[in-house]
Amino acid sequence: DTEVTQTPKHLVMGMTNKKSLKCEQHMGHRAMYWYKQKAKKPPELMFVYSYEKLSINESVPSRFSPECPNSSLLNLHLHALQPEDSALYLCASSQAPVGGERVYEQYFGPGTRLTVT
Amino acid sequence: SQQGEEDPQALSIQEGENATMNCSYKTSINNLQWYRQNSGRGLVHLILIRSNEREKHSGRLRVTLDTSKKSSSLLITASRAADTASYFCATDAGEGMRFGAGTRLTVKP
Repeated sequence: DTEVTQTPKHLVMGMTNKKSLKCEQHMGHRAMYWYKQKAKKPPELMFVYSYEKLSINESVPSRFSPECPNSSLLNLHLHALQPEDSALYLCASSQAPVGGERVYEQYFGPGTRLTVT
Repeated sequence: SQQGEEDPQALSIQEGENATMNCSYKTSINNLQWYRQNSGRGLVHLILIRSNEREKHSGRLRVTLDTSKKSSSLLITASRAADTASYFCATDAGEGMRFGAGTRLTVKP
């Protein structure tokens, strides 16, 4: 199984809502990532989890709260978002984190299209 | 933050022609990877080249890396309509992957 799954596929939420994005992989990967992608722009790294611990936070606003309950799951909790947070949110995983001696490709999920109204 | 710049931003060719995309980056890297994205979906890894390699091939793909110029190129030979997608380079400087701006490739049948 070389698949990263993300739910939901689409999400519309108001600025006062609380919602969560979910990501799952069963490849035994020990690094998981959240990216944000605006239309016609490249993905921007948000968070990196390495062995279930948060290792990189790219100065993301606190209205985005990541969680890694176990090595297969990654959540992104959303609260009090702004319309400019509307984007495609991509989850990815790799066998081990970037920056080590071995280099691993990242496997991406299909993304969650988020619209904040 | 975005690491690399790619050119061209958009490329339109006929099926059967070759497509060349370029990527430049700013800092020292451990490796450079190319990814493909179809129409707002997830990215698919194409090829990885390490900082001590100069050229790599995979099927119809050829990647070069010039660390002295901090640049890389991706060549797709004998393009097909199914190659229509956005192509991104991504660099690893030891603190997470950074993606370039991307090239939007359109292959006309």
